[in-house]
Amino acid sequence: AAGVIQSPRHLIKEKRETATLKCYPIPRHDTVYWYQQGPGQDPQFLISFYEKMQSDKGSIPDRFSAQQFSDYHSELNMSSLELGDSALYFCASSLGRGGSPLHFGNGTRLTVT
Amino acid sequence: GENVEQHPSTLSVQEGDSAVIKCTYSDSASNYFPWYKQELGKRPQLIIDIRSNVGEKKDQRIAVTLNKTAKHFSLHITETQPEDSAVYFCAASMDSGNTPLVFGKGTRLSVIA
Repeated sequence: AAGVIQSPRHLIKEKRETATLKCYPIPRHDTVYWYQQGPGQDPQFLISFYEKMQSDKGSIPDRFSAQQFSDYHSELNMSSLELGDSALYFCASSLGRGGSPLHFGNGTRLTVT
Repeated sequence: GENVEQHPSTLSVQEGDSAVIKCTYSDSASNYFPWYKQELGKRPQLIIDIRSNVGEKKDQRIAVTLNKTAKHFSLHITETQPEDSAVYFCAASMDSGNTPLVFGKGTRLSVIA
């Protein structure tokens, strides 16, 4: 079965650079979530989209932005990167919103040096 | 907003023994409670979920119980095996609307052969 596809798998950036992470949800899934997971920590909700509209916003810094496109893929744009942004970034998709199982992608490991 | 507390943070059991992980939540409106298993460096994977209209759900060696009055739910793994070793996250959300999953801090389970 098709899963959530994230790219790239690994990304190394320097401080103050920008990064773009991409997520392709499971076909027919209409909701996309972005989570940030630091080493040894639980996933922290950043932002979500339902039917291409921003649905909910969590602890996403103002330096980050995201959108969902007409083909339902989503991109997380990160600017003015800081060392503390180094983390695993997971995208998850679901069919429907609250109460629907989330299916996670394999994540993008971002390292900021 | 929702707050999910998870205990213990680490748990070691002998192979074949049972493991129990407990979570409490704060928002009485939450009614969807999934559990995720995450192996090192990999994506969280849904292993079981429960909704507030049932008190218990079982899938082979895994069971989840829910006490809505006390606002707590638990994961039970019987006949543990070394491959059960991972970090387990509980989560909670409402069964409708835009509310994203809020995760507990995770429990690192080690099954000793």
